[in-house]
This record gives sequence, C-alpha cells and structure tokens, in this order.
Amino acid sequence: GAGVSQSPSNKVTEKGKDVELRCDPISGHTALYWYRQSLGQGLEFLIYFQGNSAPDKSGLPSDRFSAERTGGSVSTLTIQRTQQEDSAVYLCASSPDSSSGNTIYFGEGSWLTVV
Amino acid sequence: QKEVEQNSGPLSVPEGAIASLNCTYSDRGSQSFFWYRQYSGKSPELIMSIYSNGDKEDGRFTAQLNKASQYVSLLIRDSQPSDSATYLCAVPSSNTGKLIFGQGTTLQVKP
Repeated sequence: GAGVSQSPSNKVTEKGKDVELRCDPISGHTALYWYRQSLGQGLEFLIYFQGNSAPDKSGLPSDRFSAERTGGSVSTLTIQRTQQEDSAVYLCASSPDSSSGNTIYFGEGSWLTVV
Repeated sequence: QKEVEQNSGPLSVPEGAIASLNCTYSDRGSQSFFWYRQYSGKSPELIMSIYSNGDKEDGRFTAQLNKASQYVSLLIRDSQPSDSATYLCAVPSSNTGKLIFGQGTTLQVKP
C-alpha cells in the first residue's frame, strides 16, 4: 500500500471488553512498531516486530496487551478487559527493516476510548 | 535518567525568528538521530535525520549533533506560524533497535 494503514480509526468500547487494532504496513517493510500516545503525552513504545518475531516487547504495559504479526505483514494489537486508562491513540509504524538508520513511517492511528 | 530527554515547553518565538529545540540522550552507542514533527491530532512525520557529528541543513531546518556531549538539536530559521507543532526527538536503542522518543517540545510561532 501507499502508506501504513490502521483500523479502526476510532473505537469506543465499554470497560471490560476486548478490542483488536489492526495495522497494515507499507508494502515490503519488514519492521513494524506499535506505540501508544495518551492525550498530551509523548510516544510510549509498546512492541516491535522484525518479520514475524518480536525482538522487543518490553513496552507492553500488562498481560492484558498482546500483539502478533503473521506473514510478515499485518499486525494485530489486542487489549483484553479494557480499562479507562487504556484510552489513547495507538500508533503503528513501519520501516524497511529494524536497522537503526532507517526512518519509520507512521499510520494515522487508532483512537481508543474506553467508557 | 530518561533515555531521550526534551524540554516540554512551550517554546514561543515570534514569526521570522530562529527556534532552537534541544534533545539529550543516554545511549552512547546510538548512531542515528531523528526529528519528527507532530501537529495536534495528527501522526508524527519525519523532518530530519542525522548520523554524523556536525550540522545538517535542509531548507529552513538544521540538525546539529554532538555525540561526545550526547546532544542533538534542531534549528528552524525564519519560523512560520505553520511551524507551530510538537517536535519529537527519536533515538534508536543500540541494544534492541527500538526507536525511543522524547516527550516532545511544543513550539508556538506567533504572527
């Protein structure tokens, strides 16, 4: 695709429900990143994938959060039993690979509101 | 110490002035450095990258890197109201490769 595509763009869910956020990276990009940004805050690293493996998942806030990537392409971030503090925009980004010199390109984000 | 630190601001400058944004980082092994701009409600977009000590210029933007001091800065010349945004410094971890962002500096350019 032309850019990183994320869905849904907006999601309102009730506390305690599970949500799935999807990211489709730029075609050919092997590295994929998930970040979270709460209102007025900086970007909080969650996890990144190189291919289908996750070399660094240190940023996942709790065991309610999980992510997977299949076929080296689409990734899904799942939040189980959502809490109000999970409300944020979840940003996905991709890059050609995880070499430190590579630029990462962001999608438009999935805005999650837990009520 | 945070891995990447920025002054959150806001930094307010008059139109036409030079805006200076600063960033320090803790990982001495880092080799590349990025500046992203984020408008309110939008995703970050890359504006500059720098890999070597010294200055790198691109239009009105100049990135400056000093690895010995673990310091990277962004200068915006002839600041315009459209430059008003949050500027994020990003540094890859030399151990894991993940890109670590600072908290961002909010710039306000007043007409």
